[in-house]
Amino acid sequence: TQLLEQSPQFLSIQEGENLTVYCNSSSVFSSLQWYRQEPGEGPVLLVTVVTGGEVKKLKRLTFQFGDARKDSSLHITAAQTGDTGLYLCAGGGETSGSRLTFGEGTQLTVNP
Amino acid sequence: NAGVTQTPKFQVLKTGQSMTLQCAQDMNHNSMYWYRQDPGMGLRLIYYSASEGTTDKGEVPNGYNVSRLNKREFSLRLESAAPSQTSVYFCAYRQSFYGYTFGSGTRLTVV
Repeated sequence: TQLLEQSPQFLSIQEGENLTVYCNSSSVFSSLQWYRQEPGEGPVLLVTVVTGGEVKKLKRLTFQFGDARKDSSLHITAAQTGDTGLYLCAGGGETSGSRLTFGEGTQLTVNP
Repeated sequence: NAGVTQTPKFQVLKTGQSMTLQCAQDMNHNSMYWYRQDPGMGLRLIYYSASEGTTDKGEVPNGYNVSRLNKREFSLRLESAAPSQTSVYFCAYRQSFYGYTFGSGTRLTVV
C-alpha cells in the first residue's frame, strides 16, 4: 500500500504570511495532485505535477514535485483569508487507470 | 460540485438499517469512485468502477456494496449500517488522465 504523509496537520497563520505544506512518501508516484476542500464541499483539483523536479505556479500558490517523485510541496505566498481550507495531496500510480492515494490533509486557517 | 450529483446530502440511520447513496455524473466518464472521509484519515477508497458493468474493491470495502447501473450512475449500499460507518461519503469521476471531480458529499450518521 502506498502511503502519503502530510505535514503539518494543522496550520494557523496571519494574513500576509507565507507557508509551506509538505507531502511525503517512501513510494514513487507517476503523478501528484493537490486539492483544496472547503467545509461542506468535495475536494477541488488545484494542480497536477507529473515530472520529477517540476514546478507549477497558480497565482500565489507554488507546487513542486520532488526529483525522485516521492514528495511534493505547496507554498503559499502572502496568504489571504480566502486560502483557508483543507489541502489534500494525492498520488497516482504508474498506469492511467490506477487509483489515487490521498494524504490525511492539512487544515489551513488564515486569520485576518 | 459541477458534474456530480449526490443524494441525499444528510442522513441519520439506526444501527442495522439499510440505505443506498446515489451518485450521478453528467459528463459521460468511464471511471467512478466512492470514498469516505473521516477526521485525520484523509479520503479512503471504498469501491470503484473502471467502466459500466465493472466494479472493484478499494481500501475499505467491508460493509458496503456498489452498483454501476449505467455509465452515469454509481450507487453505494449499506446493507446493515453500523456506527463505524458514520462518515462523509464522496462520489467522484476521473475527468482526465490525472484529475478527479468530486460531488458535495453525503453526511451519514449511524446511531
